[in-house]
Amino acid sequence: NAGVTQTPKFQVLKTGQSMTLQCAQDMNHEYMSWYRQDPGMGLRLIHYSVGAGITDQGEVPNGYNVSRSTTEDFPLRLLSAAPSQTSVYFCASSYSTSGGERLFGPGTRLTVL
Amino acid sequence: AQTVTQSQPEMSVQEAETVTLSCTYDTSENNYYLFWYKQPPSRQMILVIRQEAYKQQNATENRFSVNFQKAAKSFSLKISDSQLGDTAMYFCAFTPGNTDKLIFGTGTRLQVFP
Repeated sequence: NAGVTQTPKFQVLKTGQSMTLQCAQDMNHEYMSWYRQDPGMGLRLIHYSVGAGITDQGEVPNGYNVSRSTTEDFPLRLLSAAPSQTSVYFCASSYSTSGGERLFGPGTRLTVL
Repeated sequence: AQTVTQSQPEMSVQEAETVTLSCTYDTSENNYYLFWYKQPPSRQMILVIRQEAYKQQNATENRFSVNFQKAAKSFSLKISDSQLGDTAMYFCAFTPGNTDKLIFGTGTRLQVFP
């Protein structure tokens, strides 16, 4: 199993540009989620999904869109990038909600100029 | 509000010694799950240990153990026989009730010295 994969590893955007961060898992996990990590603030939940076709908002959803058309993929879209979205983004998946261990991808470092 | 507090931004310990990282949380739920994650300089998030709130027994994984005090809403991590490879950020996290949201603390940076 490749586990949880994320692309790209690094990205630089200009303010106002849009882009999609890719996340995929090959473990048939139903639950997937996106976090952002900022210095001194830990990881904060952006959006999550409990299965194909089902998504919900986390703590900091503004400026981000998600969709879940397949079990394997859970892309995160930045509609109009802002400097406040400069962060490290992690995708995670789990075999179950609540008590299930989240397996994390390697992260994407995004800089918005 | 459901929150996790890690009051020690930085800790240091000498190799082979024992260190305890503190974590407190706030929830009105009776059933939940608690986690400690490690993030080394490689940035990868790695699960260290997991505890189910309805289990009285403290979880243990090799050199890592927790002291879970449900009434005090405390979930500290003890690392015994510290090794240089334990140098990392450590995050405490929990999922309250039947929600799907994993809530993280702000982390403790641990440095292990030779």
